[in-house]
Amino acid sequence: QVQLQESGPGLVKPSQTLSLTCTVSGGSISSGDYYWSWIRQPPGKGLEWIGYIYYSGSTYYNPSLKSRVTISVDTSKNQFSLKLSSVTAADTAVYYCARVNYYDSSVDYWGQGTLVTVSS
Amino acid sequence: DVVMTQSPLSLPVTLGQPASISCRSSQSLVYSDGNTYLNWFQQRPGQSPRRLIYKVSNRDSGVPDRFSGSGSGTDFTLKISRVEAEDVGVYYCMQGTHWPWTFGQGTKVEIK
Repeated sequence: QVQLQESGPGLVKPSQTLSLTCTVSGGSISSGDYYWSWIRQPPGKGLEWIGYIYYSGSTYYNPSLKSRVTISVDTSKNQFSLKLSSVTAADTAVYYCARVNYYDSSVDYWGQGTLVTVSS
Repeated sequence: DVVMTQSPLSLPVTLGQPASISCRSSQSLVYSDGNTYLNWFQQRPGQSPRRLIYKVSNRDSGVPDRFSGSGSGTDFTLKISRVEAEDVGVYYCMQGTHWPWTFGQGTKVEIK
């Protein structure tokens, strides 16, 4: 059973960089059948794609966030990471890491999510 | 971006009765490979979303057969044949055809 677990600071100051890591267990991040993704959900609101990465390092970012987002992968640690720069209160959200099935263009496994609050 | 519009946004249902959620996209979700990448997710209170349906009508393993998906092009539906207490939550459609992939606003299902 694949499991994904987010980790990182729960509080980030405005204008700083949000950094999260997702550790994957029960499966290899180097499998060519999956993309590795970040999705966020502001409190009480809907879901927004941030972007995803293939094990080779190819990335796809939501154009609305592209100038501020970096997603990277560390296959040796079976982890992938998110960096979001110049954060504001609007970036306060539960951040989920997730596995996307390459053949379905769909998320088949989600992490439990981690709340990141942007506040001074 | 492709806009996914769900209706209704709130759906009070009597236990044992059917429920239906509509999802409409602002453009066709048929991809160049002929597949339609429309998915449905359930998010129970306090939990991560869980996929129920992928590619319009394929039910995930472990998902009760009272859940079914249908539709084509720009018009899709999730049906619950007989609502049970455990079905309470928010349901999202999501398109995986056009990047950036997008979700609907969510439909909150509650028991009357």
